[in-house]
Amino acid sequence: KAGVTQTPRYLIKTRGQQVTLSCSPISGHRSVSWYQQTPGQGLQFLFEYFSETQRNKGNFPGRFSGRQFSNSRSEMNVSTLELGDSALYLCASGASVGGLQETQYFGPGTRLLVL
Amino acid sequence: TQLLEQSPQFLSIQEGENLTVYCNSSSVFSSLQWYRQEPGEGPVLLVTVVTGGEVKKLKRLTFQFGDARKDSSLHITAAQPGDTGLYLCAGVTYGQNFVFGPGTRLSVLP
Repeated sequence: KAGVTQTPRYLIKTRGQQVTLSCSPISGHRSVSWYQQTPGQGLQFLFEYFSETQRNKGNFPGRFSGRQFSNSRSEMNVSTLELGDSALYLCASGASVGGLQETQYFGPGTRLLVL
Repeated sequence: TQLLEQSPQFLSIQEGENLTVYCNSSSVFSSLQWYRQEPGEGPVLLVTVVTGGEVKKLKRLTFQFGDARKDSSLHITAAQPGDTGLYLCAGVTYGQNFVFGPGTRLSVLP
């Protein structure tokens, strides 16, 4: 089974621009979560999508948004980029079978550098 | 807000030594997971512990979930350079949300 794929792997943007990151979950998985990882803050939860609906949301400003398509692929968008948005953005997919212990499988991440 | 703390933050040891890293919280979790992350990659799940007091062994790695389901430890016996990486614990809340600790960065020198 193919793992979680994220594109692009690396990205350089300038302040004020916007960016869209893509995540393809493991086949059959319906849950996709996004995380931001920085050396100072560690792994922080952004949001989770399940069956095209946002199910959970972390404490990030509205500049961070996402969506999920009918094939479970997900995109994350950050508008009006700030220097502090430089981070590794990780996507994780899960089967989310409800009532059972959830296991997340992480992709390799997209490293975003904002100049 | 549910927080997880990990200690130590950094650990550098010689090959063959034993080590223990800790994950603590004031909150109760339905389960707790340990991940290892290598540079340029996403975290990879090592184990999930579910029952308070549970001990799981994975080759040279031993994981324990505290009786009160608030803390956990990871013990590595005879560490090898291949064990080098960032070890993350993640608490799974009863709402099925994940809360990650800041990680312990382990370096095993040959």
